Amino acid sequence: NAGVMQNPRHLVRRRGQEARLRCSPVKGHSHVYWYRQLPEEGLKFMVYLQKENIIDESGMPKERFSAEFPKEGPSILRIQQVVRGDSAAYFCASSPARQAHQPQHFGDGTRLSIL
Amino acid sequence: AQKITQTQPGMFVQEKEAVTLDCTYDTSDPSYGLFWYKQPSSGEMIFLIYQGSYDQQNATEGRYSLNFQKARKSANLVISASQLGDSAMYFCAMRENFGNEKLTFGTGTRLTIIP
Repeated sequence: NAGVMQNPRHLVRRRGQEARLRCSPVKGHSHVYWYRQLPEEGLKFMVYLQKENIIDESGMPKERFSAEFPKEGPSILRIQQVVRGDSAAYFCASSPARQAHQPQHFGDGTRLSIL
Repeated sequence: AQKITQTQPGMFVQEKEAVTLDCTYDTSDPSYGLFWYKQPSSGEMIFLIYQGSYDQQNATEGRYSLNFQKARKSANLVISASQLGDSAMYFCAMRENFGNEKLTFGTGTRLTIIP
C-alpha cells in the first residue's frame, strides 16, 4: 500500500510567484494535516482538513496561504505571492477517522525554496 | 509555556551504547498520546513509537522503548545498542484529545553515533 505521497519533492519559486504543494493521503484516510518545518526547528501545525472541509486552520497565516481537500484528488496547500520567509519544508500527514491515539503517517515533504 | 520540551539540542554516543533522549510535556487534557519521530538527513519523518496517557506499561518497539513517567510528565526515548544508522534528528510530539488531533512537536535532538 502506498504511503502519503507529496509532490513535488523540491520546488523553487521567485518572490511574488505562487506555490502549489500536493498531498495524496494513504488510501482510505480521510484526515489530512499540513505542517511546516523551518530550518533547524521542529514541525509546526498549519491546518487540518477532512474531505471538503477545513476543520482547524489555527496554525495557518491569515494571508496568502490556503488549503483544500476536495472530494476527488489530492489535498493542495497554496501559497500566493511567496516571500523569502516561506522557504521551508512542508509536510503532509494523514490518518483514518479521528483517532487520537494513532500515529500520523507523514509524506517525505516538499522543500520550498524562494529566490 | 512550551507544550513539548526537548532540552538536548545535540548528543554524541558511542556505537553499541544505549542512549536516552529526554522529553517533557505540558497538558491539562487527561487523554493524550505521545509520539517519537526520527528524521534522518534525507528529511523524511519516520514514526518510531507511541505511548497513550492511559497505558499502564511503557511502550516498546524493537530497540526503542519509551520511559513514561506520567506524574513527572516525561516521555523519554531509550535506544538500546545504538547503530550508526541511528544518527538523525529525533522529535517528541504530543496529540491531545481536545486538540483536534494535531501534533505538537518539540525542537528536536540531533543524535550522532560515533563508530
